[in-house]
Amino acid sequence: GAVVSQHPSRVICKSGTSVKIECRSLDFQATTMFWYRQFPKQSLMLMATSNEGSKATYEQGVEKDKFLINHASLTLSTLTVTSAHPEDSSFYICSARAPGLGPYEQYFGPGTRLTVT
Amino acid sequence: GNSVTQMEGPVTLSEEAFLTINCTYTATGYPSLFWYVQYPGEGLQLLLKATKADDKGSNKGFEATYRKETTSFHLEKGSVQVSDSAVYFCALSFQGGSEKLVFGKGMKLTVNP
Repeated sequence: GAVVSQHPSRVICKSGTSVKIECRSLDFQATTMFWYRQFPKQSLMLMATSNEGSKATYEQGVEKDKFLINHASLTLSTLTVTSAHPEDSSFYICSARAPGLGPYEQYFGPGTRLTVT
Repeated sequence: GNSVTQMEGPVTLSEEAFLTINCTYTATGYPSLFWYVQYPGEGLQLLLKATKADDKGSNKGFEATYRKETTSFHLEKGSVQVSDSAVYFCALSFQGGSEKLVFGKGMKLTVNP
């Protein structure tokens, strides 16, 4: 089946630094990728939707200058958390879809745990 | 707005017990409904779905019926196994457009032998 990977799985960074998280579709071309954020005991909250080769569409309340999303190829999307602060600590999950996989099929990565100290 | 409410856990069951995880939704229009499962260390996987009222989704012994009158999509399994230990998420989406998923909070299930 379709596999999505994320790297790194865990990252700890100091306040004020930037962190990049990669999301890759390993065996299919992802025309659309989604980035979610999950707080403890909370649901996944969609942050942004990115289509290959175009700018990401951010959900209301998500700072696009803080959470930079790049979807430069059909197999890779990156999320960069700029000038990270402790309140950015969270679990970040990406998903990917492709037209050929069906209209409801989103394939999820295993997530990245970000801790900002 | 659109939202999903599901029962909170964690829940611990013995093997072969009956499982029900409640899920209700609030939506404008008629969404498609989903159950996703997340096994330890893995990404979310689609477990089953239903796209219109009275549809029943089923997979791996799990079932859920789309009930428009009660705006519910409860997940059931007659006899759980240790391998069913995971986090279960109820979600909704609207066909077409960006097909964004709106998730419930998830419920962690542990099945003991």
